Amino acid sequence: QIQLVQSGPELKKPGESVKISCKASGYTFTDYAMHWVKQAPGKGLKWMGWINTYTGKPTYADDFKGRFVFSLEASASTANLQISNLKNEDTATYFCARGQFGDWGQGVMVTVSS
Amino acid sequence: DVVLTQTPSILSATIGQSVSISCRSSQSLLDSDGNTYLYWFLQRPGQSPQRLIYLVSNLGSGVPNRFSGSGSGTDFTLKISGVEAEDLGVYYCMQATHAPPTFGGGTKLELK
Repeated sequence: QIQLVQSGPELKKPGESVKISCKASGYTFTDYAMHWVKQAPGKGLKWMGWINTYTGKPTYADDFKGRFVFSLEASASTANLQISNLKNEDTATYFCARGQFGDWGQGVMVTVSS
Repeated sequence: DVVLTQTPSILSATIGQSVSISCRSSQSLLDSDGNTYLYWFLQRPGQSPQRLIYLVSNLGSGVPNRFSGSGSGTDFTLKISGVEAEDLGVYYCMQATHAPPTFGGGTKLELK
């Protein structure tokens, strides 16, 4: 069956960087886009952008341009999200979601605290 | 960006009751390709979102048929015909017709 398995929780200090992974299985990785969605504690869902898993081209929502990078390890069917120069407001759960959002990863909680 | 307004924000229901959630868009969600990219999700406590409905009215894989979606243009509705305990959580609508995709603010379904 289709699975998106994300990496584990992260505790970081302001200014540090973090890299989150999303490993896909059960389908051809390059056939479907991969989206990233942010959920701050107790808040709703916010679309961050997506990456074309065939070409590797990323597209970022306006609020996620600059410190956020989507990348692929296509040979490993893995999509990655890297956040640099972390800020307190980056504290959130980050989800990956496939294609038309039919499958989601379990989410990664990133906590930014000094 | 397209704004999706969900009402109510909190919905109290008893088991077996039928309920509806409204999602109104600030722009028509009918795409030039003829599709309307409106989705409904359920996020149970501590879990990732689960897609219930895609393209306004199509039931997602494995989703019980007590869930149904309807609407067009700017007004959309999710109906649950007979709430069950496993249906409790937060419901979100989402549009992907206009970039960037946007989510509604959510409707929390709780037991009365």
